[in-house]
Amino acid sequence: DAMVIQNPRYQVTQFGKPVTLSCSQTLNHNVMYWYQQKSSQAPKLLFHYYDKDFNNEADTPDNFQSRRPNTSFCFLDIRSPGLGDAAMYLCATSNPIAAPSTDTQYFGPGTRLTVL
Amino acid sequence: GQQLNQSPQSMFIQEGEDVSMNCTSSSIFNTWLWYKQDPGEGPVLLIALYKAGELTSNGRLTAQFGITRKDSFLNISASIPSDVGIYFCAGQRGGATNKLIFGTGTLLAVQP
Repeated sequence: DAMVIQNPRYQVTQFGKPVTLSCSQTLNHNVMYWYQQKSSQAPKLLFHYYDKDFNNEADTPDNFQSRRPNTSFCFLDIRSPGLGDAAMYLCATSNPIAAPSTDTQYFGPGTRLTVL
Repeated sequence: GQQLNQSPQSMFIQEGEDVSMNCTSSSIFNTWLWYKQDPGEGPVLLIALYKAGELTSNGRLTAQFGITRKDSFLNISASIPSDVGIYFCAGQRGGATNKLIFGTGTLLAVQP
């Protein structure tokens, strides 16, 4: 089935140790998003790629970076994780080109990041 | 960032009861979406609404896009234990990136 896949589902890292989370999609959607979600809160958009164009949210810390080597894959890099970066990280995709008036975001299952 | 006003914040109901939750905004949206999130999982799209006044059903779920384009509601009929989770509304204004503006979420607990 076409879907948004996130690996790993659970990631443990140490304070200050760089970590990379990955997302892949078989939907062939041109937009990919990364969200951070903390307990009992709504997802918070960090940044997104429209094709190869990177769009950072104004309040996303520099500690968070992203790469999109091709249409199917997108990575979230946390350069120096702090305790406050422990959260669920969600990847989503959408396809506004194919359906501009009915564009919808589809989420992956998320990666739960623990920082020790 | 902006969030939509979603109510109630939480609901504790008996199996078989009907549930209603809603979202309001001070500004208009072109699209309203309703997602359900189970613990430890990503949000799953339940219903998408694209026209003001639109009423759409998905099984026991019914959602409406308010005529003013500033609100939406979701109803769940005859609740069952697997309806437990957090429900988020989200609005979109359109444009190239079509960002989601999320509601604050409604936690639903269903007593068997």
